[in-house]
Amino acid sequence: AAGVIQSPRHLIKEKRETATLKCYPIPRHDTVYWYQQGPGQDPQFLISFYEKMQSDKGSIPDRFSAQQFSDYHSELNMSSLELGDSALYFCASSRTRGGSYNEQFFGPGTRLTVL
Amino acid sequence: AQTVTQSQPEMSVQEAETVTLSCTYDTSESDYYLFWYKQPPSRQMILVIRQEAYKQQNATENRFSVNFQKAAKSFSLKISDSQLGDAAMYFCAWRTQGGSEKLVFGKGTKLTVNP
Repeated sequence: AAGVIQSPRHLIKEKRETATLKCYPIPRHDTVYWYQQGPGQDPQFLISFYEKMQSDKGSIPDRFSAQQFSDYHSELNMSSLELGDSALYFCASSRTRGGSYNEQFFGPGTRLTVL
Repeated sequence: AQTVTQSQPEMSVQEAETVTLSCTYDTSESDYYLFWYKQPPSRQMILVIRQEAYKQQNATENRFSVNFQKAAKSFSLKISDSQLGDAAMYFCAWRTQGGSEKLVFGKGTKLTVNP
């Protein structure tokens, strides 16, 4: 079965640089979620999109922005990178069906290292 | 705000034995879901088991079962016949049934399985 695809899998950047993380949801999934997991930490929700509109927002820094495109893939743009942005960034997708439980399927994550 | 607490940073179990991981949560909502996720060294987030708050019956998935105590806001995971492949970080997570589908995670419990 198709899974969530994230690219790149690993990314190394310098401080103050920018980074773009991409997420390709499972086919027919219309909702995308982004989570950030720092070293030794639990995943923290950043932002989510449903049908290309932002549906919820968590503790996402102003330096970060994200969007969902017409093909439902999503990109997380990170500017002015800081050392503390080094983390594993997960994307998850789900298919929204009203009144039903919608399971989130996680991608393998993108490991971002900021030097 | 909803919080999820895992009071055991680390646990160990002998192969073939049974181990229970603890989780408590705090919410004022009555309808929600609870989850246990497994994160092996590959860092992939894998859903182990899900419990709907409105169901009194405890969920089971093969060797994995939960003890859900809604009044006490407790949600423990029991792993029976532990296998070496069960070694991983285990995260307890909460999600409301309506509105935002973001997951709120606990800090995790690192499970070691000894041969």
